[in-house]
Amino acid sequence: NAGVTQTPKFQVLKTGQSMTLQCAQDMNHNSMYWYRQDPGMGLRLIYYSASEGTTDKGEVPNGYNVSRLNKREFSLRLESAAPSQTSVYFCASTQGRIKTQAFFGQGTRLTVV
Amino acid sequence: DQQVKQNSPSLSVQEGRISILNCDYTNSMFDYFLWYKKYPAEGPTFLISISSIKDKNEDGRFTVFLNKSAKHLSLHIVPSQPGDSAVYFCAALFFGNEKLTFGTGTRLTIIP
Repeated sequence: NAGVTQTPKFQVLKTGQSMTLQCAQDMNHNSMYWYRQDPGMGLRLIYYSASEGTTDKGEVPNGYNVSRLNKREFSLRLESAAPSQTSVYFCASTQGRIKTQAFFGQGTRLTVV
Repeated sequence: DQQVKQNSPSLSVQEGRISILNCDYTNSMFDYFLWYKKYPAEGPTFLISISSIKDKNEDGRFTVFLNKSAKHLSLHIVPSQPGDSAVYFCAALFFGNEKLTFGTGTRLTIIP
């Protein structure tokens, strides 16, 4: 049982390049989330999807887009990467009531130069 | 505006002693609080949670205390073990809202 799988694990981008971070969960969870972790800032919510077909902005959505492709997959796209988007990105999923534990992927370390 | 704050970036505790991690919040409307643990190069993992209608929840060596009047929660680990060395995040949410708000984290180091 893989849980939450993120790809890639590491990525270096040049300013202005685009890329998509992939996330898939095999727990039949309804809700999925994208967070970024920066030193001294904790985990900040970028976007979330409460159910298949719905997405909503979190705390720091600027510069990102998301797609809830199906129940399993939730992707995060950077259309034109900026150095300020250098961060570690985490995908998470829950049944839909987050007071039950959220399962996180291992993270994607992204560097924009 | 940081609604959930962990004012101690780091904490060192002797093995076998009690570790106390603190968290303050500003929004009295939060319904539920959670603690997550994170090892390097891994995603956070859920540790323990507490509803706002309770003031204590215990799970083995881990106990979370909630003081609503002070808008403060704490995580107690007794006894502390080397494997507890990690970064600990507290988080809070409103029921019916899927947004989990995290604190900035506290790095706990257990000294053998």
